[in-house]
Amino acid sequence: GDSVTQMEGPVTLSEEAFLTINCTYTATGYPSLFWYVQYPGEGLQLLLKATKADDKGSNKGFEATYRKETTSFHLEKGSVQVSDSAVYFCAPSYSGGGADGLTFGKGTHLIIQP
Amino acid sequence: NAGVTQTPKFQVLKTGQSMTLQCAQDMNHNSMYWYRQDPGMGLRLIYYSASEGTTDKGEVPNGYNVSRLNKREFSLRLESAAPSQTSVYFCASSESGWETQYFGPGTRLLVL
Repeated sequence: GDSVTQMEGPVTLSEEAFLTINCTYTATGYPSLFWYVQYPGEGLQLLLKATKADDKGSNKGFEATYRKETTSFHLEKGSVQVSDSAVYFCAPSYSGGGADGLTFGKGTHLIIQP
Repeated sequence: NAGVTQTPKFQVLKTGQSMTLQCAQDMNHNSMYWYRQDPGMGLRLIYYSASEGTTDKGEVPNGYNVSRLNKREFSLRLESAAPSQTSVYFCASSESGWETQYFGPGTRLLVL
């Protein structure tokens, strides 16, 4: 079944706006949490990750905090740029979970307008 | 390092034809994965290989077979292509199970 829920899109913002993309996951065990980004015509690449509760992952101005109490890993950026336009995937990863070990959210298409 | 490479980049098949998608990684990773990406569906796991010599079914394995040829290579075979298999296919690898995955550029497959 679904183990991760993220807001779908498209999400359209103006340059320099504040960004939040919500992600919640099923609280089965203690997964590592990932955000991947996919630029047009490319494969996914790791944006940031957090491996335990209260950890904050950060990269390229993006941040996300592992919130065990709310089973969330929301992605934020204070001032987005046109170059941030991409699809963002939230992915909890349960070590030893077999085929269910890694589930990707359906992706959030972000469009940043100049 | 080339990372994860996939061939071909694009392929058109007729219903019933067969083909093999190739994937190779040069990062000495143990685990490799095949996904398909469809609009509105996100990424869905087809098969994965936790280590050389092992393969396991993912969420959507029907109509596909895989071979972990060696530690570097993991191929995906469509024995009799169907229009429902029109998709973008991604191969990925990771050092060990369910750690950070590194993705190839994808193969766009169109089945007519």
